[in-house]
Parts: sequence; structure tokens; C-alpha cells
Amino acid sequence: GAVVSQHPSRVICKSGTSVKIECRSLDFQATTMFWYRQFPKKSLMLMATSNEGSKATYEQGVEKDKFLINHASLTLSTLTVTSAHPEDSSFYICSASRGRLDNNEQFFGPGTRLTVL
Amino acid sequence: AQSVTQLDSQVPVFEEAPVELRCNYSSSVSVYLFWYVQYPNQGLQLLLKYLSGSTLVESINGFEAEFNKSQTSFHLRKPSVHISDTAEYFCAVRTGFQKLVFGTGTRLLVSP
Repeated sequence: GAVVSQHPSRVICKSGTSVKIECRSLDFQATTMFWYRQFPKKSLMLMATSNEGSKATYEQGVEKDKFLINHASLTLSTLTVTSAHPEDSSFYICSASRGRLDNNEQFFGPGTRLTVL
Repeated sequence: AQSVTQLDSQVPVFEEAPVELRCNYSSSVSVYLFWYVQYPNQGLQLLLKYLSGSTLVESINGFEAEFNKSQTSFHLRKPSVHISDTAEYFCAVRTGFQKLVFGTGTRLLVSP
């Protein structure tokens, strides 16, 4: 149980286009979902936290107009990278939590490798 | 603010040797502590966690970590590693609002 999937696993796009990444909790309802960005040989950086049915909370320094997050249902959250540029190339990982308690475990997706040409 | 320090970016070790991956954290409040493992081009998998109770926690594949409050450490150990343990290991702390703060990771390289 507690499986999180991401689609696509890899995507290559041209500079200036928008890319949508999906994160799904397959066998549980995810009250809260998180989006992380991982640079090569670096740690994961939390980009935003989204609760179902409400607007995402972005971390300081993350452009909310560039990284659009939608958490429309208890099993799906999407991250749209708008007007992508080469510097947006990265590994994007989502995670999902069953509840909002501090000790609720986060279950991570397999990640999406974005390459912007 | 919380922070996590993993001083070793890479730890090479021979198969069947013991290993310790170091993790120190900084926080002014109580924390939950985690170790995650990441295999190439994959997401993170929870290895073990400390929430409360016994300060020594174990995973199903032989890893263990001990929470040391006085030294603000949560080092990961395994008495005998396998080739398949080769991966990136991340230490993380969590306080309020479920936010995880990760260290920069330690790459464990196990060779025959």
C-alpha cells in the first residue's frame, strides 16, 4: 500500500513551452501533497505544499506563477512548469501524505526528469 | 530554522564491511528524524524513522540509526554492507506542518 506514481517519468521539451507533471496516490487518499526539486548531487528542495481543494503554499524563492500547482482531488496533484527554460531542467519529485498530522509519513513518487532544450 | 548536515558526500566501502553515515541536525524544537534511500533515477524510499520512544531504530534490511539528543545526531549504521546497498542516502528532519528538511546526501559506494 501507499504507492505514489508520477507521469511522465521523463520529458524533454523546447524552451518556452509548458510542461505538466502528474502525481497520483494510487491506493490512498492524499490530504496533502508536496513537490520537491532535486538538482544533480544536491539535496531535495521543497517547492510547495498543497492541500486538496485549496491553494498551494509555496516556499520562499519559488515563483508561483512559473510553477503552477493544482490539487484538484484527493488522489491527484499536478505541477505545471510554464514557459520552461533550460535552468528549469531538474528532477522533480512529489510526495503524498494521508493526513495533516506532524507524524504522518510522506510517500514519495519515483520522480520526473525534465530536460529543457 | 532547522538544518541537516551530512558531512560525507561519498563513502566508499568494501562488501561485508561495516559502514556509518553521519547526520547532524540543528533545531530549537523537538524533531522527527528520517533516513531515506534513493536508487539511481528513482524517488526516495523511507529507510527508517525516529518519532519517539527508543532512540535506536532499525530497518528491515539491517540498517540502524540512533537518535542522540545531546549530540544532535542521527547516524546510520550497518554492520555488513552488500553491493545492493549502493545508493544515495538522505537524512531529514521534520518539525511542524510536515515539512521535511533534507541533508545534501551521502553516496554509499559498495565494491566487491
